[in-house]
Amino acid sequence: KNEVEQSPQNLTAQEGEFITINCSYSVGISALHWLQQHPGGGIVSLFMLSSGKKKHGRLIATINIQEKHSSLHITASHPRDSAVYICAVRSGNFGNEKLTFGTGTRLTIIP
Amino acid sequence: DAGVTQSPTHLIKTRGQQVTLRCSPKSGHDTVSWYQQALGQGPQFIFQYYEEEERQRGNFPDRFSGHQFPNYSSELNVNALLLGDSALYLCASSLQGAKYTEAFFGQGTRLTVV
Repeated sequence: KNEVEQSPQNLTAQEGEFITINCSYSVGISALHWLQQHPGGGIVSLFMLSSGKKKHGRLIATINIQEKHSSLHITASHPRDSAVYICAVRSGNFGNEKLTFGTGTRLTIIP
Repeated sequence: DAGVTQSPTHLIKTRGQQVTLRCSPKSGHDTVSWYQQALGQGPQFIFQYYEEEERQRGNFPDRFSGHQFPNYSSELNVNALLLGDSALYLCASSLQGAKYTEAFFGQGTRLTVV
């Protein structure tokens, strides 16, 4: 079992729909990242969370530390949101920190 | 600030050859991590360098080695290339111990082994 599990693996939705992507992890973490990867490879950090909830524009990320679960929500989705969304958890102690990634959720928004 | 820069962006090598990929971290960051991302998969951790030492290593063979320089830049070397080494290689930089500092990623180097 992977340390970081994402669901769904693929998601297709109509423009304007509310999107939810889920991430569950099994290790102790110091932070959780939501990342966006467009075709061509570059990764952009959307959020870094250690507790609670963060909002940036149409994107909202939440984390429940007790349940080891995080969600990424996109409101009023748009075709330009089409990308792979990756959850990554930061673990380890000072000098030995690392990121462990989920396999990603491929989101396609249809106009 | 240029962020994390990687070079080259694309590379084609022949099976059995050796390759060196380079990464310059974001200004102010001291830790560089390397990841391999096969097509359709999430990135897999190769290793991390901090204070010019390899601090952690993922499940990769010794053919994968690296180095970090005093200016915090880093190299990833892969010897005896296999077809299965074809992937996107990503570099991320961060500030060790800064719990609330985000990691920044380069655009990656796409390596094709033929």
